[in-house]
Order: sequence, then structure tokens, then C-alpha cells
Amino acid sequence: AQKITQTQPGMFVQEKEAVTLDCTYDTSDPSYGLFWYKQPSSGEMIFLIYQGSYDQQNATEGRYSLNFQKARKSANLVISASQLGDSAMYFCAMREGRYGGATNKLIFGTGTLLAVQP
Amino acid sequence: DGGITQSPKYLFRKEGQNVTLSCEQNLNHDAMYWYRQDPGQGLRLIYYSQIVNDFQKGDIAEGYSVSREKKESFPLTVTSAQKNPTAFYLCASSSMWGPYEQYFGPGTRLTVT
Repeated sequence: AQKITQTQPGMFVQEKEAVTLDCTYDTSDPSYGLFWYKQPSSGEMIFLIYQGSYDQQNATEGRYSLNFQKARKSANLVISASQLGDSAMYFCAMREGRYGGATNKLIFGTGTLLAVQP
Repeated sequence: DGGITQSPKYLFRKEGQNVTLSCEQNLNHDAMYWYRQDPGQGLRLIYYSQIVNDFQKGDIAEGYSVSREKKESFPLTVTSAQKNPTAFYLCASSSMWGPYEQYFGPGTRLTVT
């Protein structure tokens, strides 16, 4: 069964430093997508970054980058130069592959609560 | 501005009452989703729809019902059969063409007493 695991319930980081949030996944489908979302205290889920299973390069979006290690089935989020506004819950998610049928359903991990300290 | 709206933001109901949560999108997305989030937990899929007049159960559909009569709208009804309805409910939509990221509404916090 497809599964997303986030082993860090909470993390602290100093402002302006980089931080890595861990995510491992399990799937037998060769085609899949990995997503990271940010959920501030307001509750809305904000899409941050996407990595496709066939993408050769790690995805980057501004201060966010995804460290994709396919053989290890990990998709860690790296936030560079942390800001106070980065304090939020972060969720890793995986889209079920199209192998065997088309669906865009996402499976979410349990999240990591990041606190950025001044 | 394109986006997803959910109303109301906070909803209070008495046990035994059905309640309908609204979700509207103007992103021209074919697919729409309903998730439930409990405190300190990830999101769990309740129902999803990839086309008008068609929808599928997610992982926790019991006690919920949906309809998809229009592309823009995907209301969720929390019925009295749902044993623990108090939760945060998030609606999302996505294109049916890659990369399939889902865009979320602001959520509705439902409290049933």
C-alpha cells in the first residue's frame, strides 16, 4: 500500500538558517508525484513544490528545494534562509500513480510542525 | 481572482442534525476533493469527483454524502450517521492534467455538540 512517513513531529530552526524536513514514501508504482504543502495557523493548505518520479533534477521554487533520492524513497524539503513567516505545519503528500488507472488522489503524511526562532 | 471558497468558516450544530458545507471553485478544474483533518493529524480523503455527476468514496466516506451537479460546486453533507463529525474540513480542486497539484480552500471548522 502507498504510504507517506514524516518522522519529525516538530522542529526548531533559527531565523536565516536552512532546515530540512524529512519525508519518506512507499509505493510500487513507477509513476508518482510528490508534493509539499504548508499549513499556517489559519488552516489553509498552501502548495509549495512538486517532484515527479521521472524528473531528473531536484525541484526548486524560490527558497524551497526538494531533495529527491529515488532509490532511498525519500523526498525531503529544504527551506533556505528561514523566515519567521515559515513557522507552520508542513505536509508531504504523494499522488497515486496512473499505473492501473487514472486518479489524482493525494496521500498525506502526518506533518512536521516547524518553529522559526528569532 | 481565481480560487476556492468554502463557507462558512466556523459552523456549530447540535448532534443529530445534518449539515452541508459549501465548496465553490472558479479555477475551471475538473476534479474536486473533500478532506477531513483532526487535531495534530494529516488529511484524510472523504470523497472526490473527477467529473460532473460522478464521485467516488475516499478512505472515510461513512456518514458523509456529496453531490456534483455543477463543475464549480462540490457540497459535502455531514449526516447524523457520522459518529465524530467535529473536525476541520478542507475542500480542494485540481486539473486532470499534470502535475496535478491540488489547490485548497480556507476550510470549515465544524463543531457538533
